[in-house]
Amino acid sequence: EAQVTQNPRYLITVTGKKLTVTCSQNMNHEYMSWYRQDPGLGLRQIYYSMNVEVTDKGDVPEGYKVSRKEKRNFPLILESPSPNQTSLYFCASGKQGMNTEAFFGQGTRLTVV
Amino acid sequence: QKEVEQDPGPLSVPEGAIVSLNCTYSNSAFQYFMWYRQYSRKGPELLMYTYSSGNKEDGRFTAQVDKSSKYISLFIRDSQPSDSATYLCAIAGGTSYGKLTFGQGTILTVHP
Repeated sequence: EAQVTQNPRYLITVTGKKLTVTCSQNMNHEYMSWYRQDPGLGLRQIYYSMNVEVTDKGDVPEGYKVSRKEKRNFPLILESPSPNQTSLYFCASGKQGMNTEAFFGQGTRLTVV
Repeated sequence: QKEVEQDPGPLSVPEGAIVSLNCTYSNSAFQYFMWYRQYSRKGPELLMYTYSSGNKEDGRFTAQVDKSSKYISLFIRDSQPSDSATYLCAIAGGTSYGKLTFGQGTILTVHP
């Protein structure tokens, strides 16, 4: 089954404790991306990747890191999480861009206390 | 100014009604226009996408793009309770095919 898999689905952590949210896709897509979704603000793009070792900032990259060492994986790293990063996070992938169809994961609900 | 503006609603309609959802955008460089549907506790799923101006129809759904006024619309005919969800407009194809910008989303409820 074609899918984007994120882990974990739920995470509660403390301020300053480094964490990684994993994302994997099995569709051999070139593009992958991370979004955060907040009430009243909608989905905002954090980072995206056009291929292995090629990444670029989205609209809200501050406080996040990403890496794309393999085509299928695109982890999101929070080096020092803060409460304002409490949000619902989605990973997405697209075959040759995000401009036709992007496939989204099920989401990761992160709470930073 | 936000790149994409969408009225968050909420919008509540009776079953069978015609629903109109709208967005405006600011950058005329965008060429791809999409509507995503998101059910509660799920990731967004693509409903329709349109390249450049014009209309596109898929069953009960029609997407319209008017590039001259930077206005995109989604119409749902004969709305059903199963259409109750958040509808997100999105634009892409400006500086990079990796960039995808969403509106705030409109929460739609269709009552039986």
